[in-house]
Amino acid sequence: NAGVMQNPRHLVRRRGQEARLRCSPMKGHSHVYWYRQLPEEGLKFMVYLQKENIIDESGMPKERFSAEFPKEGPSILRIQQVVRGDSAAYFCASSREGAGSSGNTIYFGEGSWLTVV
Amino acid sequence: SQKIEQNSEALNIQEGKTATLTCNYTNYSPAYLQWYRQDPGRGPVFLLLIRENEKEKRKERLKVTFDTTLKQSLFHITASQPADSATYLCALDVQAGTALIFGKGTTLSVSS
Repeated sequence: NAGVMQNPRHLVRRRGQEARLRCSPMKGHSHVYWYRQLPEEGLKFMVYLQKENIIDESGMPKERFSAEFPKEGPSILRIQQVVRGDSAAYFCASSREGAGSSGNTIYFGEGSWLTVV
Repeated sequence: SQKIEQNSEALNIQEGKTATLTCNYTNYSPAYLQWYRQDPGRGPVFLLLIRENEKEKRKERLKVTFDTTLKQSLFHITASQPADSATYLCALDVQAGTALIFGKGTTLSVSS
C-alpha cells in the first residue's frame, strides 16, 4: 500500500508530556501538510512542509508545536507539554506538486488520534 | 474575513433520491475547488476537482458545479445509496502557494 502512512493511530498522553506524530508521504510526494480536526469542527490547516523546509506554518500555534520534514525519514509533528485542549485528530496529507499548483490534489492518511488525560 | 460555509451540518434523504450539498465562500477567488468524503474515524478521500473556468464536472453518480459569480459550488449525488452516508468536505486554494482550506463539512445520511 503506497498511501500516506501515519503512526501512531492512537496516542494517550498525560498533561505535560510530549506527543510525537509521524507521517510518511506517498511514494514520489515531497510536499506534506498537517491538519488538526477537533470534535464537531472542520479540518484546520497547521503547517505545510517540503523536504527540509517549512513553507507555511501560519496555522501552527506559536508555542509548544513544531514540525519537521527531514531529508530522510518521515515528517514529525511534535507537541510539547500537552494540554487537554490538544486532544484531537491530527491528519497528514501529501502531494506530488506544491500547494498552489493548479489541480493540486492532496492525499490524506488515516490520522493520529491524540487523547490528553 | 475569509469564510467557507457548507449549507448545513446534516442532511437526511431517502435512498434513490438526489442529495445536493452546498459550499459557499466569501472573499476568496480560488483557482479550483475540491470535494472530499470523510467516513468516521478515517481520513478524507478526494472525490472531484473543478477549476474556475469549468461550470460542471461529473464522475459516475457525482456532479459538481462551480459558480464563481455566486461564489458557490453545488455537489450532487444522484440515485443515492446508504453507502453514500458520510461527511462531505469542500476545499479551496485561497492563495497561490498555500495549502487547501476546508469547510466544516456536511454529514449526509441516506436511509433505505
